[in-house]
This record gives sequence, structure tokens and C-alpha cells, in this order.
Amino acid sequence: KNQVEQSPQSLIILEGKNCTLQCNYTVSPFSNLRWYKQDTGRGPVSLTIMTFSENTKSNGRYTATLDADTKQSSLHITASQLSDSASYICVVSPGWNAGNMLTFGGGTRLMVKP
Amino acid sequence: ETGVTQTPRHLVMGMTNKKSLKCEQHLGHNAMYWYKQSAKKPLELMFVYSLEERVENNSVPSRFSPECPNSSHLFLHLHTLQPEDSALYLCASSTRTSGNTDTQYFGPGTRLTVL
Repeated sequence: KNQVEQSPQSLIILEGKNCTLQCNYTVSPFSNLRWYKQDTGRGPVSLTIMTFSENTKSNGRYTATLDADTKQSSLHITASQLSDSASYICVVSPGWNAGNMLTFGGGTRLMVKP
Repeated sequence: ETGVTQTPRHLVMGMTNKKSLKCEQHLGHNAMYWYKQSAKKPLELMFVYSLEERVENNSVPSRFSPECPNSSHLFLHLHTLQPEDSALYLCASSTRTSGNTDTQYFGPGTRLTVL
């Protein structure tokens, strides 16, 4: 069964600090992995997307890594800001199919405090 | 704004009501999606309209019925819902790619409460 597990479920950090969110997946075959940010009451917004041949990708203060051998990914947030408070969702695509049936993780709820 | 709009933003309905959710995308995409997001659960894909083909998650009950009259508009028709159907319903759109690398752009969602 295709699954995406994220840890921790929730995290509180102080403004300016760094943090790393984890994602493990069992999706096969694997095409790509994405990280989304979802603010409360809003739809998810894409941060990064990596195919199996990529092992790191950055988007401003967000850096995602991918180890396709161990089926693990991480999202590192540098110098956190209050606006980083949101849920971060790891999403895996199992390869081409008509519906692009993505498998979503349960998300990590991040709270950045002043 | 992501270019994907949804109406209404909030909806409260009884189990015997019939209502429809609307989604519109202004991004020129050729695929549209309906997702359900329940509290403390991962997003669940319900339906996809892609290149005039419809794909559905077999676990979605028949009381949910999608309609996609054109590439810019998507509806989700609701009838005889159950309280457990209360959730955030998200619409998304994308331009399909052969390697499933397309980025899906999400709307703000409709918060549905079934009494």
C-alpha cells in the first residue's frame, strides 16, 4: 500500500531558528516528491518538486532533500519567520497515470513563535 | 491568489439537501481535481478531469457527483450527505505532463458542514 509518513506531527520553534521536517514514503513506482505549504483556511501551495534523479532543491529559505534509495525526504527551513507557521505536506507521485494519483502525507504543523 | 477560485467558501447543509460546489481556474490548465481534507487526515483525491478523461477514486460514495463542462469549470454536486462528509473540499488545476511533474494549484477550499 502506498503511504507517506511525516514527522513530527507538530513542531514549535522560536522565530529565527532553523528546523527540519521529515518524510518517509513507500510509494512505488516513484516519479517525484513535492512539498506543499498550507496556511490555515487556505489551499496548499507548492514549495518544491524533485524527481528521483534530484537530491536537493531550494526555494528561498526552504531546502528539500531526497534520498530515493532510502525513500526519505526532508524539508529544511532556515531562519524561520512568523509567516512560516503553517502545515507542511509531503506528497509523492507514483509515476505516470491518467489521474496523477498523488499520495499525501498527514502533514507537519509548524508554529513559529516570536 | 493562485488563479483558482471556489464558491461558496462555507456551506452548511442538512442531510436531505442538494447543493453544488463550484470551482473555476483562470490559468489555462487542462486538468482539474477535487480533493477532500478531513480533520487530522491526509488530503484524499476524489476526482480528476484530465484531457477530457475522468478518473475517480473508487472509495468516493455516489452521493458525490462531479461535473466538468469545460476545462475552466468544475462542479461537485452533493446530495443526501452524511455528517462524516463534513470537511474542507479543495479544487486544484494543473497542466498535465507525461511524467506527472505538473504542479497543482489549489483553490482556497469550501468548508462544508453537514448537520
